[in-house]
Amino acid sequence: DAKTTQPPSMDCAEGRAANLPCNHSTISGNEYVYWYRQIHSQGPQYIIHGLKNNETNEMASLIITEDRKSSTLILPHATLRDTAVYYCIVRFPQRNYGGSQGNLIFGKGTKLSVKP
Amino acid sequence: KAGVTQTPRYLIKTRGQQVTLSCSPISGHRSVSWYQQTPGQGLQFLFEYFSETQRNKGNFPGRFSGRQFSNSRSEMNVSTLELGDSALYLCASSLASLAGVSGANVLTFGAGSRLTVL
Repeated sequence: DAKTTQPPSMDCAEGRAANLPCNHSTISGNEYVYWYRQIHSQGPQYIIHGLKNNETNEMASLIITEDRKSSTLILPHATLRDTAVYYCIVRFPQRNYGGSQGNLIFGKGTKLSVKP
Repeated sequence: KAGVTQTPRYLIKTRGQQVTLSCSPISGHRSVSWYQQTPGQGLQFLFEYFSETQRNKGNFPGRFSGRQFSNSRSEMNVSTLELGDSALYLCASSLASLAGVSGANVLTFGAGSRLTVL
């Protein structure tokens, strides 16, 4: 099963870039990498996703290594409101409908603390 | 457009009771998936419904069940509640089924239903 590895916690100074790494060494060719974040006791919020190429949107940038075994989420100018748990998720497709395994695996995520 | 709505937001039950949680997806989304989140186990996938059919299922006992209606609204039920069922239950909706074989599929989560079992 595809799964991800993230550091449990990171600190970042307000206004600086936050770089959150994720290892997904067992990813296969057609699996996307998704990033979500969860602010205390709220539902996870979608940030960005990518397959092979680097991606950027209004929230963040996603850098995926050429071998696709790891990626980095970049928050270019972190603010206090970016303090949250960040999840890197790899979705693998289910080949048979009604399969007995869930196909979304959330790890423990990285708790990012942005400090003034 | 309106987001994913979960009701109730908070509820307290006692052991042995059952509970039903509701999830209204974003308009046009046909997939609803459910997750349990606890401090010890993190966020775990329960099951997914797409077009009123269960498409995927996580490793939870049969006490956890769900269904989806023709308007894509979904309910999940937990019977014979145990203390360990205390958790934040989240649902997420998406356009395509999680069981799709290719393509990106972004999930939109609701705020969750926090269940406390006493």
